[in-house]
Amino acid sequence: GAVVSQHPSWVICKSGTSVKIECRSLDFQATTMFWYRQFPKQSLMLMATSNEGSKATYEQGVEKDKFLINHASLTLSTLTVTSAHPEDSSFYICSTGEDEKLFFGSGTQLSVL
Amino acid sequence: QQPVQSPQAVILREGEDAVINCSSSKALYSVHWYRQKHGEAPVFLMILLKGGEQKGHEKISASFNEKKQQSSLYLTASQLSYSGTYFCGTERGSNYKLTFGKGTLLTVNP
Repeated sequence: GAVVSQHPSWVICKSGTSVKIECRSLDFQATTMFWYRQFPKQSLMLMATSNEGSKATYEQGVEKDKFLINHASLTLSTLTVTSAHPEDSSFYICSTGEDEKLFFGSGTQLSVL
Repeated sequence: QQPVQSPQAVILREGEDAVINCSSSKALYSVHWYRQKHGEAPVFLMILLKGGEQKGHEKISASFNEKKQQSSLYLTASQLSYSGTYFCGTERGSNYKLTFGKGTLLTVNP
């Protein structure tokens, strides 16, 4: 199956700063990447769908200007959390689909102080 | 709309069986099952497609009742490694866009 590499695994930042999370598809050309957010002991909530070469599609209630998504190539999608606040602290995880399955990156634990 | 999973948590002794259910109020194209261990990414277990049959993977199998829009995951002769949170993800079209249930925390004790 597809191998998805996500970086960094964890990041601590100060309130008001921006954080970029990278998601790479190592062995597969991913035209679409999905970005999820997961709060402790809760489900994975889809934030947005990233499409190579075009604008991302955001789920209802997700701020486009706060969570910037770029999918400039078939192997790289990035999520930038802008002006992060403590309430943005969460586990962010990307995924891509192949052969009817979703393959996930290892996730990024973001802590905003 | 988020599928409903039950139970929320299960505690088993090694070797016991468990069933986890997932239901949706919407017509589904497929149901996916994933297992996630703490701090790790979810791992794909299996997919049940509309019109598909019951599937199995080692001692883990699942079924999908299209009429009721319900899926069940069966874990038999549980092993310690089965511990984790199990999520069902439902797909309304063939687009990999999954909506996940709240999860079922499975703990297998020696």
